[in-house]
Amino acid sequence: EAGVAQSPRYKIIEKRQSVAFWCNPISGHATLYWYQQILGQGPKLLIQFQNNGVVDDSQLPKDRFSAERLKGVDSTLKIQPAKLEDSAVYLCASSTGSRAFFGQGTRLTVV
Amino acid sequence: DAKTTQPPSMDCAEGRAANLPCNHSTISGNEYVYWYRQIHSQGPQYIIHGLKNNETNEMASLIITEDRKSSTLILPHATLRDTAVYYCIVRGHTGGFKTIFGAGTRLFVKA
Repeated sequence: EAGVAQSPRYKIIEKRQSVAFWCNPISGHATLYWYQQILGQGPKLLIQFQNNGVVDDSQLPKDRFSAERLKGVDSTLKIQPAKLEDSAVYLCASSTGSRAFFGQGTRLTVV
Repeated sequence: DAKTTQPPSMDCAEGRAANLPCNHSTISGNEYVYWYRQIHSQGPQYIIHGLKNNETNEMASLIITEDRKSSTLILPHATLRDTAVYYCIVRGHTGGFKTIFGAGTRLFVKA
């Protein structure tokens, strides 16, 4: 079974630039999550999708972060404009219900 | 979802059992205990979960106290590849993985 795919693996941008991350969940998984993991901390949920609808985006900084999941499969997370404190690993996960499967993440460095 | 408390770090000798404790004193009756681990530069990996009975799979055993306020993850024969951060989380089976991941326990397996 193929896992959750994310790209790119690494990204370095200057502050105030924009960046986008892509996630392809496990086939058939209706639920998709985006997490932010700052160095030394556990993952923090940013947004949860059920199919192509948003279930929870209460912790998404909506002034600069946006996410979409067109057609209920792939998803993109965008940051515009980026700040220094956005430097983190961005993890995508998908779930059938009882278990969540995580991708390897995208490490973003904002300089 | 209930919060969990874990020691920040633990050491274990290779080949010995690693016993990782977790306190979840505010767990409610329909919440499960999940364990994930995160090896450096990878996304979190599911290990095991349980409700109130002890559970065992090919990776580990989960011992949950009778009052369900604490649990222990047991890696029976730790190897160097088990060096990782281990997260104990509590969640219901509905509502997705909104659960807050704490900082986890950093397990160092030493030769």
